[in-house]
Amino acid sequence: QVQLVESGGGVVQPGGSLRLSCAASGFIFSTYGIHWVRQAPGKGLEWVAAISYDGNKKHDADSVKGRFSISRDNSKNTLYLQMNSLRSEDTAVYYCARDPINYYDSSGFHWGYYFDYWGQGTLVTVSS
Amino acid sequence: DIQMTQSPSSLSASVGDRVTITCRASQRIINNLNWYQQKPGKAPKLLIYAASSLQSGVPSSFSGSGSGTDFTLTINSLQPEDFATYYCQQSYSPTLTFGGGTKVEIK
Repeated sequence: QVQLVESGGGVVQPGGSLRLSCAASGFIFSTYGIHWVRQAPGKGLEWVAAISYDGNKKHDADSVKGRFSISRDNSKNTLYLQMNSLRSEDTAVYYCARDPINYYDSSGFHWGYYFDYWGQGTLVTVSS
Repeated sequence: DIQMTQSPSSLSASVGDRVTITCRASQRIINNLNWYQQKPGKAPKLLIYAASSLQSGVPSSFSGSGSGTDFTLTINSLQPEDFATYYCQQSYSPTLTFGGGTKVEIK
């Protein structure tokens, strides 16, 4: 069965860095795009970043641009989120989530831009 | 960014009730609208994609409709396990955005 397992969360001081991982199993990881979505305590969902199946296409939310970087290692079936210059407003549960549509054709690259499987989440707390 | 507005933000209903949740986009998104269910302490679960397509394994008591800017999630005959928070999400613009959520509580 499809599994996504996040790790790497914890407590970090403002201005600090953290790297999250998302280990995938139960599907061919190298053929799916993956996203990070976060949820601040007691709040709604916020999309953070996306990466295509081959790692060649990435984009992220304005709120993390220049501070967070998404990457993947298809040989390890693992997704990453490098988070730098962390702020208190980055405190949240971070989920990785699979995009069910990811392919190139003559008209360009296509995403589903929705999430059919989610991990259980990892909590990041930014506090002094 | 496309703003997604859900209403109501919360509602109380009884088992067996029919529940309707509305989601409005700040601009036309065709049918690029998805619905998720989230229970406390759990990850969201995909219910409906492309406005009206039922995700595999989701009960047929859930249905979605709408296009353009106005969308609806309907739960027919609410079951105890359906008490949760529901989110809409637009997949039209690469800057993906969610509605604020609708909490469905037991009356």
